[in-house]
Amino acid sequence: DTEVTQTPKHLVMGMTNKKSLKCEQHMGHRAMYWYKQKAKKPPELMFVYSYEKLSINESVPSRFSPECPNSSLLNLHLHALQPEDSALYLCASSHPRGEGSPLHFGNGTRLTVT
Amino acid sequence: GIQVEQSPPDLILQEGANSTLRCNFSDSVNNLQWFHQNPWGQLINLFYIPSGTKQNGRLSATTVATERYSLLYISSSQTTDSGVYFCAVPNTGGFKTIFGAGTRLFVKA
Repeated sequence: DTEVTQTPKHLVMGMTNKKSLKCEQHMGHRAMYWYKQKAKKPPELMFVYSYEKLSINESVPSRFSPECPNSSLLNLHLHALQPEDSALYLCASSHPRGEGSPLHFGNGTRLTVT
Repeated sequence: GIQVEQSPPDLILQEGANSTLRCNFSDSVNNLQWFHQNPWGQLINLFYIPSGTKQNGRLSATTVATERYSLLYISSSQTTDSGVYFCAVPNTGGFKTIFGAGTRLFVKA
């Protein structure tokens, strides 16, 4: 599954840095997702965009700021992160849920906060 | 909300062995996916199987929606099958996908 592309693959950042994670899909999906995964745990939903509008924010701290510039792109802006935010960040896309569409995941960005 | 339980939590196999992984869910679903997460973190779609049986090479899956479980069969396991297998279902009416805790598989050469 490489139809959802995430960059960068790895990111190391200090607690005062600002960085962005990027996700792109060209499958015509109108729902896009950010998940966070800690070691030995399943992915946890952070945000959902449907038709470029934020549909779900799972009470994520404001140091994580999502953005959906168009139907193919999803960004996650990071600022003033904490070491406990180190994790694998996964992007996914699907058709809108009412159509019973499977999730397609990107390969993830492995983030380390120092 | 819907609960998803996977068993066993851990599994060690000798290369060439067969195995069955189970996923139980607490409510009716119209969508169920099986994923394989390899040791590099890639989460790979295996099956999208709300009901019935599907096969893809050495892997097959069966979902019995009326009894609220799904099974993933791995035959003639290979070392590359190692990793974590997740099943996932959507919550009722929404975008939120509920993952099971996963089955961690290690296949020995």
